Amino acid sequence: QVQLVESGGGVVQPGRSLRLSCAASTFTFTTYTMDWVRQAPGKGLEWVALISNDGGNKYYADSVKGRFTISRDNSKNTLYLQMNSLRAEDTAVYYCAREHRGELSLEGFFDYWGQGTLVTVSS
Amino acid sequence: DIQMTQSPSSLSASVGDRVTITCRASQGISNYLAWYQHKPGKVPKLLIYAASALQSGVPSRFSGSGSGTDFTLTIRSLQPEDVATYYCQKYNSVPRAFGQGTKVEIK
Repeated sequence: QVQLVESGGGVVQPGRSLRLSCAASTFTFTTYTMDWVRQAPGKGLEWVALISNDGGNKYYADSVKGRFTISRDNSKNTLYLQMNSLRAEDTAVYYCAREHRGELSLEGFFDYWGQGTLVTVSS
Repeated sequence: DIQMTQSPSSLSASVGDRVTITCRASQGISNYLAWYQHKPGKVPKLLIYAASALQSGVPSRFSGSGSGTDFTLTIRSLQPEDVATYYCQKYNSVPRAFGQGTKVEIK
């Protein structure tokens, strides 16, 4: 069974940094595009960032562009999200998610999600 | 960027009712649309991909339709375990945008 396990969440002051990790197992991590998605308290799902299977392509939501960096270490089967200059509005549960592989419209949706890690930005 | 708009934002229906949620894209996305079910404290669950393909293990009372800009998620006979928030998501390009969600409750 595909497993995605996030870690690294916690309470952090505004302006500080935090790095989230997502450990992947029981699938060939190196062949999948991976994403981060978040949900702020009482709000809906918000896509945050995407990284291609080889790390060569990265994309970000406008709300985090220039502050967050997505990366991956394929030798460790691990996805990362480096979050700098954190703001109160970044408070959310952060999920890592795997994009389904396939042709055309059979590629790009999220077929597996981690359990999420809570990030609270507060002074 | 393409915006995804769901309606209604919430609904209340009786067990056994047919429930319909709509999702509109601000530009055409062909059939690059997925639907997810999200229960409080749980992980989002994929229901439908490619606008109308049912994910393995999802009850057949769920169905999806549409193409281009207008899409629909239908629950044929609402069950108590279907209480959740439902999200559409487009994935034809980045950003991978979600709709704002539709909260489904039992009357």
